[in-house]
Amino acid sequence: GAVVSQHPSRVICKSGTSVKIECRSLDFQATTMFWYRQFPKKSLMLMATSNEGSKATYEQGVEKDKFLINHASLTLSTLTVTSAHPEDSSFYICSAKTSGDTDTQYFGPGTRLTVL
Amino acid sequence: GNSVTQMEGPVTLSEEAFLTINCTYTATGYPSLFWYVQYPGEGLQLLLKATKADDKGSNKGFEATYRKETTSFHLEKGSVQVSDSAVYFCALTASNTGKLIFGQGTTLQVKP
Repeated sequence: GAVVSQHPSRVICKSGTSVKIECRSLDFQATTMFWYRQFPKKSLMLMATSNEGSKATYEQGVEKDKFLINHASLTLSTLTVTSAHPEDSSFYICSAKTSGDTDTQYFGPGTRLTVL
Repeated sequence: GNSVTQMEGPVTLSEEAFLTINCTYTATGYPSLFWYVQYPGEGLQLLLKATKADDKGSNKGFEATYRKETTSFHLEKGSVQVSDSAVYFCALTASNTGKLIFGQGTTLQVKP
C-alpha cells in the first residue's frame, strides 16, 4: 500500500516551454502532497506543500508563478514548470501523506527534467 | 530550529560487513524519525520509522533506535549486501509544521 506514481519519469524540453509533471497516490487519498527538488548528490529541497482544494504554500525563495502547483483531487497534484530554462533542469520528486498517518510521507519515483 | 546531521560518505564496505550510519538531530517538541533509501535514478523509499523515544524501527535487516538522551537515530545492519548500495537519508518530522527535515544523505557502496 501507499504507492505514489509520477509521470513522466523523464522529460526533455526546449527553453521557454512549459512542462507539467503529475503526481498520483494510487491506493490512498492524499490530503497533503509535497513537491521537492533534488540537485545532483544533494539532499531534497522542499519547494511547496499542496493541500487538496486550496492554494499551495511555497517555501521561501521558490517562485510561485514559475512553479505552478494544482492539487485538484485527493489523488492528483500537478507541478507545471513555466517558461523553463536550463537552470530548471533537475530531479523533481513528489510525496504524499495519508489521512491516517500524518507523520509519514510516501515518495514518488521522481521526474528528471532536462531543459535544452 | 530543527535539523538533521548525518555522517559524511561515501561509506564503502565489503559484502557481509556490519553497517552503521550515524544520525543526530535537533528538534523542538517530539519529532518522528525516519530513514529513507534512494537507489540510483529513483525516488525515496521509506525504510523504517520510529515515533517516540526508545522505539526501534526495523525493516529488511536494517534497524534504528530512537534515542532521546543522545538525540540520535543511527542506522545499523548486521550484514550488508551489494544490493544495499544506495543513498540513505535520515529525516525528522517537525512537530510544529509537519514538514520533513532531511539530513544531507550518506552514500553506501557495498563491494562483492
